[in-house]
Amino acid sequence: EDQVTQSPEALRLQEGESSSLNCSYTVSGLRGLFWYRQDPGKGPEFLFTLYSAGEEKEKERLKATLTKKESFLHITAPKPEDSATYLCAVRRSGGGADGLTFGKGTHLIIQP
Amino acid sequence: DSGVTQTPKHLITATGQRVTLRCSPRSGDLSVYWYQQSLDQGLQFLIQYYNGEERAKGNILERFSAQQFPDLHSELNLSSLELGDSALYFCASSVPLTGTGAEKLFFGSGTQLSVL
Repeated sequence: EDQVTQSPEALRLQEGESSSLNCSYTVSGLRGLFWYRQDPGKGPEFLFTLYSAGEEKEKERLKATLTKKESFLHITAPKPEDSATYLCAVRRSGGGADGLTFGKGTHLIIQP
Repeated sequence: DSGVTQTPKHLITATGQRVTLRCSPRSGDLSVYWYQQSLDQGLQFLIQYYNGEERAKGNILERFSAQQFPDLHSELNLSSLELGDSALYFCASSVPLTGTGAEKLFFGSGTQLSVL
């Protein structure tokens, strides 16, 4: 069974204080690892997809990296508008179409 | 705005009742996914439809059913409701990520179901 574990559950940072969120996964053949951002009262919004170990993707203050067992979402000099819940998800390869397996998320608060 | 429309935004009902949640995918998207989000379980995949046909099933209870209509909108029917069914229900549609075999999901804003 696919498993995704995110840590920490919650993180409070000062504006400008860089940090990293962790996503550890177990999946039988990785078709993709996904990062989504979710704001209160809204659906998740796609950020990145990573496919193979060593891959990195960047978007503004966010950078996602992938190893064979985990992914990190690095947040550099965050601003209050980066406050959200960040969700990690995996999709396995092979077999029929299937939904993503999500972690429970990291609730990030950036204080001004 | 993701382009995925869900109605209603909020639904309050009693145990034992039946409700229908509605979803319109983005224009041109053939797939519809349903997810349930609760505080203790996180986002759980329920079911996927593709162009009117059921494509994949996840952790969907037998009391729940879904369908996708010829105009591609989808409905999720929840019956014999229990207190534990209270959750956010999301619909998503997808576009393929070229050459990867994976999809990018666009989520609606969800329906908050409260069973009292």
